[in-house]
Amino acid sequence: GNSVTQMEGPVTLSEEAFLTINCTYTATGYPSLFWYVQYPGEGLQLLLKATKADDKGSNKGFEATYRKETTSFHLEKGSVQVSDSAVYFCALSERETSGSRLTFGEGTQLTVNP
Amino acid sequence: DARVTQTPRHKVTEMGQEVTMRCQPILGHNTVFWYRQTMMQGLELLAYFRNRAPLDDSGMPKDRFSAEMPDATLATLKIQPSEPRDSAVYFCASGFRAGSTRYNEQFFGPGTRLTVL
Repeated sequence: GNSVTQMEGPVTLSEEAFLTINCTYTATGYPSLFWYVQYPGEGLQLLLKATKADDKGSNKGFEATYRKETTSFHLEKGSVQVSDSAVYFCALSERETSGSRLTFGEGTQLTVNP
Repeated sequence: DARVTQTPRHKVTEMGQEVTMRCQPILGHNTVFWYRQTMMQGLELLAYFRNRAPLDDSGMPKDRFSAEMPDATLATLKIQPSEPRDSAVYFCASGFRAGSTRYNEQFFGPGTRLTVL
């Protein structure tokens, strides 16, 4: 079956620090990959996506590259802000086998201190 | 500004009571998902619908949970009877799936925080 493994949190950084949140996946087919962000008290929002190998998704200074050879989709940001404090979820979707359902990782809590 | 709405936002009830959560998907979306989020289990898919028909509810305890879409603008998740272990945040998400598209974004509602005492 499909699964997503994220690096354990919580992660605490100072403002302007470099961020990496690791994500690896297992899939039976050829998935699309996503990062979702959940701010306190809110639902999840799509942060970025990549639908094929070597694609780079980017949004709001965050980036992630679809690496088929290492089955990874690590999230990075060069300089985090206090407003980036949230929970980040890596997810995959296999249209062919799961009808576009999302399989989520455990989530990684990020706290950015001023 | 189209968004998924959920009601109620918070619900506190006693064990054994019936709970109904409602979701209004984004107009024009044809796929609706119900998720449950807890600290222990993370995000779990309970059920999803396409064009109002249930496609998969294997994640849902059938003896007490039921999900329906009475019309295209309303999805409901019902728990009867509720138990303390059902305490969680329940999210609804909607999206549009068309034929050969490889990926379909899901838009999440703000969630219903359920506490069963």
